[in-house]
Amino acid sequence: LQLQGSGPGLLKPSETLSLTCSVSGASITSNSYYWGWIRQSPGKGLEWIGSVSYGGETYYRPSFKSRVTIAADKSKNQFSLKLTSVTAADTAIYFCARHSGSFPFDFWGQGTLVTVSS
Amino acid sequence: VLTQSPGTLSLSPGERATLSCRASRTVSSNYLAWYQQKPGQAPRLLIFGASSRATGIPDRFSGSGSGTDFTLTISRLEPEDFAVYYCQQYGSSRTFGQGTKVEIK
Repeated sequence: LQLQGSGPGLLKPSETLSLTCSVSGASITSNSYYWGWIRQSPGKGLEWIGSVSYGGETYYRPSFKSRVTIAADKSKNQFSLKLTSVTAADTAIYFCARHSGSFPFDFWGQGTLVTVSS
Repeated sequence: VLTQSPGTLSLSPGERATLSCRASRTVSSNYLAWYQQKPGQAPRLLIFGASSRATGIPDRFSGSGSGTDFTLTISRLEPEDFAVYYCQQYGSSRTFGQGTKVEIK
């Protein structure tokens, strides 16, 4: 199983962050698996942002809920992250990863550095 | 909230490392995991369910604890074990501790 994140690395304040995670070696519709986004910054460490399930349900960390959308594209075996109205505080490495409802993150992508700067 | 201690552990290869993770509330079903992260890499899952080793993890890594207090023990440090270690609870939400750096003394 491999996860490969991609997307723009530089954004201006107020723009929308859009990242995609391509999954190979497994189907994102495989029963019981969830596909999530986690970010890592020096100030806040590792933060789970949210996840989408094999059935398309989404789950978000409350602090991101007003700004985030995670969606699955079954036809491309990908899932995506959109985070609106970014600020410098959103500068971080963004990881995509797999988990299940009762299991931690067991496979991770390599991470995508996103910098927010005017 | 998960609080890890110490922040940094300075040890020599061959020594035993003991890392602590304390939760502000009981971790349901002992849904507590440990990860290892090296510079420029994603975290790697070591332990799940507080004490079960993930696939391919050497038996020098062991996890213990329940409720609110958990421990990761590395019985004899190998050179490749010097890294940052994070605990994570994956019950009601998915939160991480702030990490413990294990550095070469």
